[in-house]
Amino acid sequence: AQSVTQLDSQVPVFEEAPVELRCNYSSSVSVYLFWYVQYPNQGLQLLLKYLSGSTLVKGINGFEAEFNKSQTSFHLRKPSVHISDTAEYFCAVSVRSNYQLIWGAGTKLIIKP
Amino acid sequence: SQTIHQWPATLVQPVGSPLSLECTVEGTSNPNLYWYRQAAGRGLQLLFYSVGIGQISSEVPQNLSASRPQDRQFILSSKKLLLSDSGFYLCAWSGRDRQDNEQFFGPGTRLTVL
Repeated sequence: AQSVTQLDSQVPVFEEAPVELRCNYSSSVSVYLFWYVQYPNQGLQLLLKYLSGSTLVKGINGFEAEFNKSQTSFHLRKPSVHISDTAEYFCAVSVRSNYQLIWGAGTKLIIKP
Repeated sequence: SQTIHQWPATLVQPVGSPLSLECTVEGTSNPNLYWYRQAAGRGLQLLFYSVGIGQISSEVPQNLSASRPQDRQFILSSKKLLLSDSGFYLCAWSGRDRQDNEQFFGPGTRLTVL
């Protein structure tokens, strides 16, 4: 079975500073990896996804993530955050032929002015 | 393009009252459909998913039920709400022909049970 761990429930960071949100997964088979963002009182929106190929994936709003198979990680990064990045971020994995996404518990990104 | 609608956006209901939340998808056919709940301070909990009309899989036994009367319509119901049913309910869809299971979410319904 697959599982996803987001170690940090909250990450406070100053505006214009870099940020990394950590995601680790476990799976015995190849997976697809996703990062979603949820702004307050809204649905989830896809930030980026890794299906295959280049391990560095670029997404919307200046975010990027790197797939590391040996460390089973898919950490999300942004070189300079803005107040508008305040949101909750969810990491998820899926496997072929399964209808579900397996979700991490989420990380709240708190931007300090 | 595809869109997903949920209504109502917010709902305040007394304990013991019934519930009906509706989700519809436009611009695609034969989607997989999902209901999630986010309780306060907690992550996403998958409640139900459906791979076709009348086909419902339940992930969490509780006083909620789901139905799919039409291909692109997904309904979440309860006969008697509990305080613990309060939360943010999200509907999502994914393409049947996709291997990656990327899901697309609706705007959500905020349910408060008093």
